[in-house]
Amino acid sequence: AQSVTQPDIHITVSEGASLELRCNYSYGATPYLFWYVQSPGQGLQLLLKYFSGDTLVQGIKGFEAEFKRSQSSFNLRKPSVHWSDAAEYFCAVGPSYGNKLVFGAGTILRVKS
Amino acid sequence: DTGVSQNPRHKITKRGQNVTFRCDPISEHNRLYWYRQTLGQGPEFLTYFQNEAQLEKSRLLSDRFSAERPKGSFSTLEIQRTEQGDSAMYLCASSHGTSGGFQETQYFGPGTRLLVL
Repeated sequence: AQSVTQPDIHITVSEGASLELRCNYSYGATPYLFWYVQSPGQGLQLLLKYFSGDTLVQGIKGFEAEFKRSQSSFNLRKPSVHWSDAAEYFCAVGPSYGNKLVFGAGTILRVKS
Repeated sequence: DTGVSQNPRHKITKRGQNVTFRCDPISEHNRLYWYRQTLGQGPEFLTYFQNEAQLEKSRLLSDRFSAERPKGSFSTLEIQRTEQGDSAMYLCASSHGTSGGFQETQYFGPGTRLLVL
């Protein structure tokens, strides 16, 4: 069965510091991978996605993620965090053919000044 | 493109009452999804439509839940005889699916937060 693990429930970083949010997935075939961000009380906004090709994908708001098949990971990174990045981040996996997304439990990012 | 919209944004109801939520997808998106998100968790898949056909339902969708998409545009999710365990955020998403059925990016609405007292 598909599953997504986000090992860190909370992460606190200083404004201007770099960020890495971890995501590990379990899936039997080639996965489609996504990172979404959710601000309090809001829906989910797509940051970036990986379907195929270059394993380093660029997203909005200066985020990037790297797909590592050997490690079953799709970690999200940002070189310099802004206070407005404080939110909850969800990693999700889906089949290449189909519809249902399976989400991780999320990582809450706090940014301190 | 106005995005996915959901109404109401918040709903408070008493246990045993019925509630109905509405989702308007991005225009011309043929796929529509419902997810449920409880506190501290990621969204969990409930059901999925392609046009007006409901193609998949999760085991989470008990007999008290019903979803429709009568004309392949907006969708409604009804919960009958609500229970306190139904309290959650209900998220709708839409995507433009190809005939081959390949995964497409899902765009989410703001959600409807339900509180059952």
